[in-house]
Amino acid sequence: DVKVTQSSRYLVKRTGEKVFLECVQDMDHENMFWYRQDPGLGLRLIYFSYDVKMKEKGDIPEGYSVSREKKERFSLILESASTNQTSMYLCASIPGNNQPQHFGDGTRLSIL
Amino acid sequence: GDSVTQMEGPVTLSEEAFLTINCTYTATGYPSLFWYVQYPGEGLQLLLKATKADDKGSNKGFEATYRKETTSFHLEKGSVQVSDSAVYFCALRKGAQKLVFGQGTRLTINP
Repeated sequence: DVKVTQSSRYLVKRTGEKVFLECVQDMDHENMFWYRQDPGLGLRLIYFSYDVKMKEKGDIPEGYSVSREKKERFSLILESASTNQTSMYLCASIPGNNQPQHFGDGTRLSIL
Repeated sequence: GDSVTQMEGPVTLSEEAFLTINCTYTATGYPSLFWYVQYPGEGLQLLLKATKADDKGSNKGFEATYRKETTSFHLEKGSVQVSDSAVYFCALRKGAQKLVFGQGTRLTINP
């Protein structure tokens, strides 16, 4: 089974802090994604990556950056956390086109 | 741009009731369509998918048929169980890898 692992289930940080959310997949997938999930809005794509050191902006990239130094790891970075970034963050990966995405269990991030 | 609209939740049913969760989409071309399920405290899991018009996806008693004429992909189950309580997301993908999700529908099944 494909395993997508997010480093933290719950995280509490303060406004202005730099926050790192980590995601690791163990199936050598090329494509990885970061979403945020908010009530009434569904999932919205923040960034995605289709190869090491490659990244593409999703629909809501403002206030975020990403890093993909190794194929198995895709990090989401909040450069200076703000309260409107309190959300559930979900990481996903797929091996290639036309395959379903596999999701991690999510990180519930609270910014105080 | 492409978009997905799901019926508003929450939806509350009794065990063994018939379930329909409506999903319609807007997209040019021929998207692939998906239903994902999120159980409490977990990430999303693929429930079923359909890649072309008139395809029927099915899994765990759930079904959805890709209807191009009505741009719909409604989720149905004939007899729901308490264990089906979850949030359900309809999504589309066209060409590129990223998914476009609906807003999600929370389903609660009472015994």
